[in-house]
Amino acid sequence: GENVEQHPSTLSVQEGDSAVIKCTYSDSASNYFPWYKQELGKGPQLIIDIRSNVGEKKDQRIAVTLNKTAKHFSLHITETQPEDSAVYFCAASNYGQNFVFGPGTRLSVLP
Amino acid sequence: NAGVTQTPKFRILKIGQSMTLQCAQDMNHNYMYWYRQDPGMGLKLIYYSVGAGITDKGEVPNGYNVSRSTTEDFPLRLELAAPSQTSVYFCASSPMGAGTDTQYFGPGTRLTVL
Repeated sequence: GENVEQHPSTLSVQEGDSAVIKCTYSDSASNYFPWYKQELGKGPQLIIDIRSNVGEKKDQRIAVTLNKTAKHFSLHITETQPEDSAVYFCAASNYGQNFVFGPGTRLSVLP
Repeated sequence: NAGVTQTPKFRILKIGQSMTLQCAQDMNHNYMYWYRQDPGMGLKLIYYSVGAGITDKGEVPNGYNVSRSTTEDFPLRLELAAPSQTSVYFCASSPMGAGTDTQYFGPGTRLTVL
């Protein structure tokens, strides 16, 4: 089955700096790769996603890149703000079935 | 739209008791999911459903059962609660087949088994 690894497990950056979180997946059949932000006591919320037919996607300060050959994808957050502090999860799925999540990255943005 | 709703928010069970976690969505999504999240960990898929009357196992289905008699509801049943089932349970739905795989999550149910 699919296995998703995520690094780093914790990340501290200064406000205004960039943050990068990386995930690898094992199943070449996976074709959808979302990123979620989870704040304390809440459910995960989708922040950006990418399909396997696209190499990069950007939404304001957030971008995701996908390398299908190497089976890895990354989340890039630029100009970080204190409100970006949260736990971030990557995931992989095949046509919306059997989502597998990474273990999460706790991002702290220091003022 | 209320989105994805879950009840109860919190519950304490004794070992061996049973309960049903309720999940409902009013977005007419065909796909629904149940996850558990242990402290400091990622989400693990328990069961999912691609439509009314169709369910399938995820990564950690043992000790749980589901049913999907309507598009809106996807209850999760714990028959003999065990301490290992102490976790936060999240339900999600997705409009798969409508051009997106996006999952929308409910607020979660925090379950403690003593």
